[in-house]
Amino acid sequence: GDSVTQMEGPVTLSEEAFLTINCTYTATGYPSLFWYVQYPGEGLQLLLKATKADDKGSNKGFEATYRKETTSFHLEKGSVQVSDSAVYFCALSGGGSQGNLIFGKGTKLSVKP
Amino acid sequence: EAGVAQSPRYKIIEKRQSVAFWCNPISGHATLYWYQQILGQGPKLLIQFQNNGVVDDSQLPKDRFSAERLKGVDSTLKIQPAKLEDSAVYLCASSPSGVQYNEQFFGPGTRLTVL
Repeated sequence: GDSVTQMEGPVTLSEEAFLTINCTYTATGYPSLFWYVQYPGEGLQLLLKATKADDKGSNKGFEATYRKETTSFHLEKGSVQVSDSAVYFCALSGGGSQGNLIFGKGTKLSVKP
Repeated sequence: EAGVAQSPRYKIIEKRQSVAFWCNPISGHATLYWYQQILGQGPKLLIQFQNNGVVDDSQLPKDRFSAERLKGVDSTLKIQPAKLEDSAVYLCASSPSGVQYNEQFFGPGTRLTVL
């Protein structure tokens, strides 16, 4: 079945460092890909998405490109801030699905000043 | 615009007891999802409703879990009887319709502890 594998955490970075969180997927058909974020004490919220191959999703300085050839959707940010500390989840919605999401295990990011 | 509401936020029960969770989705959202998130893992779909009909309940442990969405608006998820392994955060989400590219909007979750 469909699945998502993302980088194990936790990840600890200094402010202004470059961030990459790796995400790869297995899916039949043409899934949509998402990054959701969970800030401390808050609910899950959409960070960015891409719905077809070579699409780039971006939001709040974060970017991810839908790479069908490598089945990847890595999350990147050029300069992280303390306020980016959160748990990040990669997810897919499969081509044959009714919109339900399949999530990775999540990666906890801590940014130190 | 009001977000997805869930209650209670926290619940502690003993094994073999029953518990119910409530969710009110964003107004006008036809699709409602219940997910289970065990500590250290990503959320896993339990059941999906489109209006008041069930679209997918293939991962719902039907011997102990039940859910309904009367009138196609709010929803309840029940566990009876609870087991230790049911300790998790139960998330409700809604979206305008059940298509794969739609954003899902999540509630704050209900944290269940089974002792």
